[in-house]
Amino acid sequence: NAGVMQNPRHLVRRRGQEARLRCSPMKGHSHVYWYRQLPEEGLKFMVYLQKENIIDESGMPKERFSAEFPKEGPSILRIQQVVRGDSAAYFCASSREGGHYEQYFGPGTRLTVT
Amino acid sequence: GENVEQHPSTLSVQEGDSAVIKCTYSDSASNYFPWYKQELGKGPQLIIDIRSNVGEKKDQRIAVTLNKTAKHFSLHITETQPEDSAVYFCAASSRDDKIIFGKGTRLHILP
Repeated sequence: NAGVMQNPRHLVRRRGQEARLRCSPMKGHSHVYWYRQLPEEGLKFMVYLQKENIIDESGMPKERFSAEFPKEGPSILRIQQVVRGDSAAYFCASSREGGHYEQYFGPGTRLTVT
Repeated sequence: GENVEQHPSTLSVQEGDSAVIKCTYSDSASNYFPWYKQELGKGPQLIIDIRSNVGEKKDQRIAVTLNKTAKHFSLHITETQPEDSAVYFCAASSRDDKIIFGKGTRLHILP
């Protein structure tokens, strides 16, 4: 079952370190979305990417956060100089080209900043 | 931008009874309404969706209804079972592909 893969599943970082979260979309999917989920809250849209293009990053914090989806390899969400408030679950979803609506989620990466 | 409100935040129903979760949205351009189920420690799973050209859709024990005039949509689960216990999220999406989620409903199925 080639679903959306995310790694690592759990990541612990000290304040000031960098966090790199990886997402491999489902086979045949070329669109990737990143969401953040705080405890007891819904999912907040962060960024939408296609291969080598950022389509919509309106939900990304202006500083310290960046995302990419290179021609080869997984999509990467990068958080520089992490702070305690970055602790959350980060989910990636993917969809098929032309089928933007149906997004399928990965298991998430739980980031803890100590 | 779109805003999705979801009620209730917590819902307890006796096993075998029905559960209803309601959502409202603000952007009349929204035309796609998915529902996700999230179990503890897992990612959200798409369980059913509805597009704006239909008013109701059913899949076994799950049904969704959509009232575009009132900007309301609802999830109905009949004959609830213990494995239905989870957090359910409604969402709305318009042509820009961004999905906006409600805050979720924690559903408890009581034995």
